[in-house]
Amino acid sequence: GENVEQHPSTLSVQEGDSAVIKCTYSDSASNYFPWYKQELGKRPQLIIDIRSNVGEKKDQRIAVTLNKTAKHFSLHITETQPEDSAVYFCAARADYGGATNKLIFGTGTLLAVQP
Amino acid sequence: NAGVTQTPKFQVLKTGQSMTLQCAQDMNHEYMSWYRQDPGMGLRLIHYSVGAGITDQGEVPNGYNVSRSTTEDFPLRLLSAAPSQTSVYFCASSYSIFRPNTGELFFGEGSRLTVL
Repeated sequence: GENVEQHPSTLSVQEGDSAVIKCTYSDSASNYFPWYKQELGKRPQLIIDIRSNVGEKKDQRIAVTLNKTAKHFSLHITETQPEDSAVYFCAARADYGGATNKLIFGTGTLLAVQP
Repeated sequence: NAGVTQTPKFQVLKTGQSMTLQCAQDMNHEYMSWYRQDPGMGLRLIHYSVGAGITDQGEVPNGYNVSRSTTEDFPLRLLSAAPSQTSVYFCASSYSIFRPNTGELFFGEGSRLTVL
């Protein structure tokens, strides 16, 4: 089955700096790659996603890149702010033709933005 | 819309006891799933369902049962609780991936379970 690895497990940056979180996946049938943000004590919420037919997607200060050949995808946050402090999860979904939205998650990255 | 509603939010069990975590969604989502979250382990898929009457196992199904008798409800049952099942449990739902441009999982608020 699918396996998703995520690095680093913790990341500390100064306010205004950029942050990059990297993930790798194992299943070549994966074609959907979302990123979730989980604030302390809250539920995970989708912040951005990318599908396998594009290499990059941006939404204001966040961007995601995908390298299907290397099975890598990354989250980039620019001009970080204290409210970006949270745990970030990457995920991957393999498509074998069924109806399942079976997301396999990475182990998470705790991002701390120091003011 | 209430979204995804989980109950209870907190529960303490003794080893060997049974209990059911309830999950309901009011968004007409076809797909529902249960995850557990443990420190350093991320979110691990327990069971999932693509529609009423259909369930399947995820990454860590042992010790858990599910059923899907209606589109709205997807309860998770622990038949004989063990300390290893101490965790935070999240129910999540989404539209079927057969609908265009779907994929977002909507999570409930979580249920914190402690097994002594």
